[in-house]
Amino acid sequence: GQQVMQIPQYQHVQEGEDFTTYCNSSTTLSNIQWYKQRPGGHPVFLIQLVKSGEVKKQKRLTFQFGEAKKNSSLHITATQTTDVGTYFCCTGGGNKLTFGTGTQLKVEL
Amino acid sequence: GAGVSQSPRYKVTKRGQDVALRCDPISGHVSLYWYRQALGQGPEFLTYFNYEAQQDKSGLPNDRFSAERPEGSISTLTIQRTEQRDSAMYRCASSLVGGGTDTQYFGPGTRLTVL
Repeated sequence: GQQVMQIPQYQHVQEGEDFTTYCNSSTTLSNIQWYKQRPGGHPVFLIQLVKSGEVKKQKRLTFQFGEAKKNSSLHITATQTTDVGTYFCCTGGGNKLTFGTGTQLKVEL
Repeated sequence: GAGVSQSPRYKVTKRGQDVALRCDPISGHVSLYWYRQALGQGPEFLTYFNYEAQQDKSGLPNDRFSAERPEGSISTLTIQRTEQRDSAMYRCASSLVGGGTDTQYFGPGTRLTVL
């Protein structure tokens, strides 16, 4: 089945710094979804990308889907403490989601 | 309305006992999914239902695991003869229509600890 790898595994930033997490697959993906899981919480859907080269923005968050549909990135501008959590990319096929390993973001004041 | 709910939130059991985990999806959601999430990892697919029909159970680790959704709403994941390696967070999710790209809404999970 499809697998997605994420880097980095952990990221510590100072509040106000930018943050980027990358998601990569060896196969072409039909879609990429991003979820955020706060500490002690459950995964919450952020966005879905389906088109080659697609870019979507949500306030300080920018999501990209690669031209070859094999990679994706999530970029957060000027991080805030509310951004703390683990960010997962995943791909959906046949009604099941295959999640990446996640990037845990910690934001220090 | 209310989100996905799961019960119990925490379950501690002894090795060899059976456990039943319950999921109550968002009202009107056709599709229901079970995942298992180990600490520090992403959720791992177990099984999926459309209405009452189990469409895919390829992620169930072995025959000690089973799931049902008899009336197309509430679902139960049963683990028989539990083993310590079964300890994990078990998450349920539901989506309106399914189809692989439909948004899945996750519940709070049941933390299972097998002693």
